[in-house]
Amino acid sequence: GENVEQHPSTLSVQEGDSAVIKCTYSDSASNYFPWYKQELGKRPQLIIDIRSNVGEKKDQRIAVTLNKTAKHFSLHITETQPEDSAVYFCAAVLDFGNEKLTFGTGTRLTIIP
Amino acid sequence: GAVVSQHPSRVICKSGTSVKIECRSLDFQATTMFWYRQFPKQSLMLMATSNEGSKATYEQGVEKDKFLINHASLTLSTLTVTSAHPEDSSFYICSAPPGGALSAEAFFGQGTRLTVV
Repeated sequence: GENVEQHPSTLSVQEGDSAVIKCTYSDSASNYFPWYKQELGKRPQLIIDIRSNVGEKKDQRIAVTLNKTAKHFSLHITETQPEDSAVYFCAAVLDFGNEKLTFGTGTRLTIIP
Repeated sequence: GAVVSQHPSRVICKSGTSVKIECRSLDFQATTMFWYRQFPKQSLMLMATSNEGSKATYEQGVEKDKFLINHASLTLSTLTVTSAHPEDSSFYICSAPPGGALSAEAFFGQGTRLTVV
């Protein structure tokens, strides 16, 4: 099955700086890669996603890049704000339309005011 | 967006008892739902895939006789933790895909914090 690795496990950045979280996946057949933000005790919230036929996608301060050849994808948050502090998970889906998610191990992001 | 409702949000039970968790799709039909478990400070791990009208598919290492899944209708899946023990204490969360060719977004329930004492 699919295996997703995520780094770093913790990340602290000054407010206003950028944060980058990286994930690698094992199954080249995976074709959908969502990123989730989870606050303590809450459900994961989708913040951005990318399909395998796209190399980059941006939504305001958040962007995701995908390198299919290397089987890795990254989350970029620019101009970080205190409310960005949370745990972020990447995930991979083997079959678009069958949303069985394999999650990465998570990154605890702390924005230092 | 689509709404998935999960109940209860919190439950405390005694060791040896059973607990049922419900997951409902409120504004769409879900032939498939997924159940995940999340231990403190860990990631979400898929436990099983719930299929309407047929048996659930369990991930490796998940005891199907302990975690009973029923998906009797297109809007409701239930997870029953039988003979719960303290090590079953965890955050359980379901997800359901509304489906469609343009979106693969999975919609999550609110999650259930289970504490077995």
